[in-house]
Formats: sequence, C-alpha cells, structure tokens
Amino acid sequence: ENVLTQSPGTLSLSPGERATLSCRASQSVSGSYLAWYQQKPGQAPRLLIYGASSRATGIPDRFSGSGSGTDFTLTISRLEPEDFAVYYCQQYVSSPLTFGGGTKVEIK
Amino acid sequence: EVQLLESGGGLVQPGGSLRLSCAASGFTFSAYAMSWVRQAPGKGLAWVSTLTGSGGTTYYADSVKGRFTISRDNSKNTLYLQMNSLGAEDTAVYFCAHNSGYDHYYAMDVWGQGTTVTVSS
Repeated sequence: ENVLTQSPGTLSLSPGERATLSCRASQSVSGSYLAWYQQKPGQAPRLLIYGASSRATGIPDRFSGSGSGTDFTLTISRLEPEDFAVYYCQQYVSSPLTFGGGTKVEIK
Repeated sequence: EVQLLESGGGLVQPGGSLRLSCAASGFTFSAYAMSWVRQAPGKGLAWVSTLTGSGGTTYYADSVKGRFTISRDNSKNTLYLQMNSLGAEDTAVYFCAHNSGYDHYYAMDVWGQGTTVTVSS
C-alpha cells in the first residue's frame, strides 16, 4: 500500500498569504497519478488538481500543483476567505487507492 | 451537468447489512468508472471501492474485501454498494464519486453529497 503523508497537519495563515502543502508518498507515484481535493465542513470533497499539476474545471489559477515521484506540493498563491478548508492528496495509480491524512488550512 | 445522489444510509445493528445506491445523471454512465469513498466521524477520507465502466473489474480496500460488493446497473444509471457483516468501524458518511475516465487511473472529479451509515446496537 502506498502511504501518503501530508504535512503540516494544520497551517495557520491570514488571507492574502501563500500556502504550501506537502504530500509525501511511501512509494513512487508513477505517471504522476496524484490528485488534490478540498473539503469544507459538511460538504463533499472537490477536485482541485489531477495529474499532479493540472487544474480541474473551474478551479482558480491561484491553486497550483507540482512534484513527481514521491514528493508533491499544493500551493495556494494568495489565500481567499473561501480557501480555508481541509486539503487531501490522493494517489490513483495503484490499488488500493490511498488518501493522505489531510492538511487543515485555518485562519490565523 | 454531472449529478450524483446517494441513498440507502441509516442505522443498522452490528453484523447487519445495508445497500447503498447512487443515482447518476448528466453523463454517459457506462463510459466511466465509479467509486465509493467514506469518511468516519471527524476523520479523513478513505477509499472503499471502484468499479470500471463496464462493471467488469472491481477494486476494494482490504478493510472491506469479502464484506462489501460494488456493482452497477448501466440501464438504470445507478451504482450500488452492498455492505454485509457491518461493524462499528464502518460507521461513516459514504460518498459516491465519478471517475473522470474508464478505470481507477482517473481522478474523482464529481462527488455526491454523501449518505450516512451508523452501525450501532
């Protein structure tokens, strides 16, 4: 099983600041089959990034993804009030598919 | 517009069974893989199962293998999850998700709102 470890667990930032979230895989994610999701309380997850760096439909360009192999990053260039949420990474190249434990981005 | 609507959740006793349904609309159902993902109270997301577009190949998390069965009726545009031998560890919100391609090699780009399963005596 490919274990995904996200860090930090919680990120306390102010609106307008830059957020950098990390996702490290225990095994290489071949083909960069890695996605990032955003989840707000009481809501379903929303796909932000797929293929490690491609933005999903309708996702603002302040969200960007990068990385390959075992190290991936989600960057939010300038936090908007609606961006405070929990973010999950997921690898979908090999079964069992796995999610990271999540990073909560909270208002400082 | 792709829409997914889950149903079938509820309270069930330990050892019991439940069948979840996910009604899909807005896309050619048989062309896409579909998945179930769950979230225990206060916890993160956990993949449960994925089924290819034709229904020919299934994938399961080890925690549910042998107890849960994923299936689909492409004539009714509906995905199912039959859950047997339920335990307290299965208590969660269950989300249905549309994979953006035919197999699990595609991200989950549309999600339903979820249905809650509570296993308790």
